Amino acid sequence: DTAVSQTPKYLVTQMGNDKSIKCEQNLGHDTMYWYKQDSKKFLKIMFSYNNKELIINETVPNRFSPKSPDKAHLNLHINSLELGDSAVYFCASSFRRQPQHFGDGTRLSIL
Amino acid sequence: GDSVTQMEGPVTLSEEAFLTINCTYTATGYPSLFWYVQYPGEGLQLLLKATKADDKGSNKGFEATYRKETTSFHLEKGSVQVSDSAVYFCALTSNQAGTALIFGKGTTLSVSS
Repeated sequence: DTAVSQTPKYLVTQMGNDKSIKCEQNLGHDTMYWYKQDSKKFLKIMFSYNNKELIINETVPNRFSPKSPDKAHLNLHINSLELGDSAVYFCASSFRRQPQHFGDGTRLSIL
Repeated sequence: GDSVTQMEGPVTLSEEAFLTINCTYTATGYPSLFWYVQYPGEGLQLLLKATKADDKGSNKGFEATYRKETTSFHLEKGSVQVSDSAVYFCALTSNQAGTALIFGKGTTLSVSS
């Protein structure tokens, strides 16, 4: 299937831990994004990469570090997890000015 | 900066009722406008889009028209079904490649039979 796929779908972990979320797209897109959806469903951009180059870096704590090993992958590493990091994280991708395609999200819960 | 304002929900309708979800935007230049839908427990799916003034986007019986004079992109459907129950997001992006979507706060639609 052609898609944007994220792993894991659910992530439950303790405060203070470090965790990673992976994203892969096989759509041939050149830009990938991370969005955060809070408990009120509000969606906000965190980062975007175009051809492995960081182009958007919103005001996000530096505990969050994106990494793009190639055009098809964009991972998100989070250090020292805090309660406020609990959210749904969505990966998306696009090609030039075409609409963005979203993954199914990673539901992160911090205990 | 650019922003999107949607009507607050939840919106509760009976099956076959008419649906309108209001969306207005503030943007410099000529943004592209979108409606995305999020079904329970799922990711966002593109519902429809419009890239210039007076364009009408349509899909699955939903329609929205890009109105530059009123900076609006209201979502409508003539007859909703139970399966339309979801959260609907209005969004915009500038017409430069690779720019982020700016979302409204989302409107929850609940349709009962």
